Amino acid sequence: NAGVMQNPRHLVRRRGQEARLRCSPMKGHSHVYWYRQLPEEGLKFMVYLQKENIIDESGMPKERFSAEFPKEGPSILRIQQVVRGDSAAYFCASSLDRGVREQYFGPGTRLTVT
Amino acid sequence: SQQGEEDPQALSIQEGENATMNCSYKTSINNLQWYRQNSGRGLVHLILIRSNEREKHSGRLRVTLDTSKKSSSLLITASRAADTASYFCATDDGEGAQKLVFGQGTRLTINP
Repeated sequence: NAGVMQNPRHLVRRRGQEARLRCSPMKGHSHVYWYRQLPEEGLKFMVYLQKENIIDESGMPKERFSAEFPKEGPSILRIQQVVRGDSAAYFCASSLDRGVREQYFGPGTRLTVT
Repeated sequence: SQQGEEDPQALSIQEGENATMNCSYKTSINNLQWYRQNSGRGLVHLILIRSNEREKHSGRLRVTLDTSKKSSSLLITASRAADTASYFCATDDGEGAQKLVFGQGTRLTINP
């Protein structure tokens, strides 16, 4: 049973470009969470999605950031017009069902904005 | 605002010794989880303790939870070099939301 998959593992973008981060949850998991980690800090919640629904986006910046989890395919975190402050590690996690149970994390995507 | 705060921020011990890390939080919780993160890697789930539990064991790991003090501790016994990592506690936000709220982490270094 494959774990949570994220790609790419490393992404370099110039200021103003778009970044697309992908996450495939564990098999059978229908709940996906995105977190951001700045250097030397803990993870900060961004958004919680179920298939075709955004459940909680309270941690997502209001502008330039969007997330989706379509019926088919991976969850996508999209950052438009990236700025240097967007440089961070972005982690996706999935869980089996509702309730704050164990969340299983992917390896992360390290975004560097130059 | 920060929910979980780990203490100490960094800990360096000799291989074979026990390592204890503490976590404090602010709101009521349903459960508390501990994760390990090796440098540059994702998080590995270690253990979940529910709010009605006081102690839980998993291999060389022992977690305690004191809801009256809003604190938890993670004890790693007989440490090994491979235990070198950052350790994070994470809680729910106490309001029924699904998100995890993480502390800043404790950086543990095991010296051979």
